[in-house]
This record gives sequence, structure tokens and C-alpha cells, in this order.
Amino acid sequence: GAGVSQSPRYKVAKRGQDVALRCDPISGHVSLFWYQQALGQGPEFLTYFQNEAQLDKSGLPSDRFFAERPEGSVSTLKIQRTQQEDSAVYLCASSDRLAGGGVDEQFFGPGTRLTVL
Amino acid sequence: SQQGEEDPQALSIQEGENATMNCSYKTSINNLQWYRQNSGRGLVHLILIRSNEREKHSGRLRVTLDTSKKSSSLLITASRAADTASYFCATAAYNTDKLIFGTGTRLQVFP
Repeated sequence: GAGVSQSPRYKVAKRGQDVALRCDPISGHVSLFWYQQALGQGPEFLTYFQNEAQLDKSGLPSDRFFAERPEGSVSTLKIQRTQQEDSAVYLCASSDRLAGGGVDEQFFGPGTRLTVL
Repeated sequence: SQQGEEDPQALSIQEGENATMNCSYKTSINNLQWYRQNSGRGLVHLILIRSNEREKHSGRLRVTLDTSKKSSSLLITASRAADTASYFCATAAYNTDKLIFGTGTRLQVFP
């Protein structure tokens, strides 16, 4: 079956541009997560959706970052007025488990590598 | 900020040798997971060990967990060139919704 897909795989933006990153989770997965991975580091949590509800956005680094999942499936991570420090790989993951009782295995997409010039 | 620290940061071995990598974390956990990441690709789940377990096996993988020391180790036996990747531990706390990843160990297996 299809895994988690993300698009675009690579994005180059000029400083100040807005970008939108898309995530298609595994069909039927209720939980969706976004992570940011800087070069040479482990992924860091950004935000979490349970169906269409954004239950945790504590990891979003600034109000320039916005995520949505309006119909409980596809999700979009939007970054406004991009800065050089936003350059990273953005990973999306999904799970068929409801979180809150302890997270189990997450299925990750290939990521979108964002480079801000 | 990342909770886990992993060591070594990098490890180079020959095919057939065993590889051991360690993870330390800071807070109480529900479970600890290990993921592999090949260059330019997403993370793949390898194994999960719950806080009430001490050891778990899956194929050539052996994971141990010591909650008193807040540490875990991943042993890959009889390594292969295809095992070359970065390995991350990730912890999940009770009543939470996210994984907290370590800094990773880069493993290079030479044929």
C-alpha cells in the first residue's frame, strides 16, 4: 500500500517568500505529525493533528508557521516570510493510533528539503 | 530542544561486525523507539520497547532499556553494508502526542 507522501521533495525559496508544504498521510490514519530536521540533527516536533483538530502546536517556532488539515486527511504546512534559519527538512508522519495514551510507531514520509536563500 | 543524546555520534565498522549505539534521555517515558534514516530519505521504524520491558529482539536487532539509568542501547549483529544509515532513538512520554528524538548515530558499514 502507499506510504506517506510529501510534496514538493525540494523547495528553494528567496528570503521573504511564503511556502506551502503538502503531506498525504496513509489512508485512514487519524494522527498526523510535522517535524523539522536541521542538518545533522534529529527531527524536532512541530505540531500534531488528530483528524482535523490541531491538538498540539507547541513546537511551531514562530507565528510565521501555520499548519492545517481541514478534512482530516491531507495536511499543509505553511511558512510565511521565510528566513534562512527555516532551511531544514520538513518531515510528515502519520499513525493509526490516537495519541494521548502514549505514541506508538509513526510512519514517515520522505520529507521536503527547504532551502531559503 | 532534543531530549535524547546518542553515542557514539559516528561509528565505522566492517561487514560482519556488530554495531552498538547508545541513547540517554531525560524524563519518564511510556516507550522508546529506534528509527533508521538512509541518506535523503524518511525515517523507518525499527523497534519499540515499552517502559516495563528490559530487552527486545527483532531479527538482527537487540534493544535494551534501563529506566533507572534512563538509557537504551541498540545492537545490530552481523552488520551489512545495507545497514549504513543514521540511527535515532525517540521517546514517547505518557499522555503526550509527540516523539522526542535523539541526536543520532551515523553508522558506516564497509564491505
